[in-house]
Amino acid sequence: QQQVKQSPQSLIVQKGGISIINCAYENTAFDYFPWYQQFPGKGPALLIAIRPDVSEKKEGRFTISFNKSAKQFSLHIMDSQPGDSATYFCAASVNTGFQKLVFGTGTRLLVSP
Amino acid sequence: DAGITQSPRHKVTETGTPVTLRCHQTENHRYMYWYRQDPGHGLRLIHYSYGVKDTDKGEVSDGYSVSRSKTEDFLLTLESATSSQTSVYFCAISGDTNYEQYFGPGTRLTVT
Repeated sequence: QQQVKQSPQSLIVQKGGISIINCAYENTAFDYFPWYQQFPGKGPALLIAIRPDVSEKKEGRFTISFNKSAKQFSLHIMDSQPGDSATYFCAASVNTGFQKLVFGTGTRLLVSP
Repeated sequence: DAGITQSPRHKVTETGTPVTLRCHQTENHRYMYWYRQDPGHGLRLIHYSYGVKDTDKGEVSDGYSVSRSKTEDFLLTLESATSSQTSVYFCAISGDTNYEQYFGPGTRLTVT
């Protein structure tokens, strides 16, 4: 049962362009939405996260946009760089003290020079 | 990797053999998790722990057991490995004061 649907599966963006990855969820009890970045052979690394009380969060070139009514959230990478080439995972959880993160299936991003 | 180590990093084993993977943290975090990562599935939670000797099942717990006898160590055991358990296994930790969950470097397990 896939509770978080992520798209696209893969993405090619030119250097300097904007990368956009989308996720949709069904469980309205989710109240924490992180994005993880994973390089080959490494563990996922927390990139940025948002709570549903805000519609947007920005950290450097990375922005999360959150639409509570549509149950969707997205990651925007501005001025994409070849070093951003990685797999990105969205996730969601209900905060019960600990997190039982439910992950999307991942997006493989390639930023061409 | 936020003070998290996993051992072994790579293992090849035969069907039917028991396997134990170890996660060790130096952050003194309360919560620890085991995930498996497979193409097309993202990461899926196997088991988690909310304290010493306190564990519970995740989404894909069949065929796996865990133990946590110390705050810093969380063990994942495959009692009788099957080929469907070939995967990359990640340990993660999180603390009491925020939502952030940090992952270890992973263990690549191949069951032949």
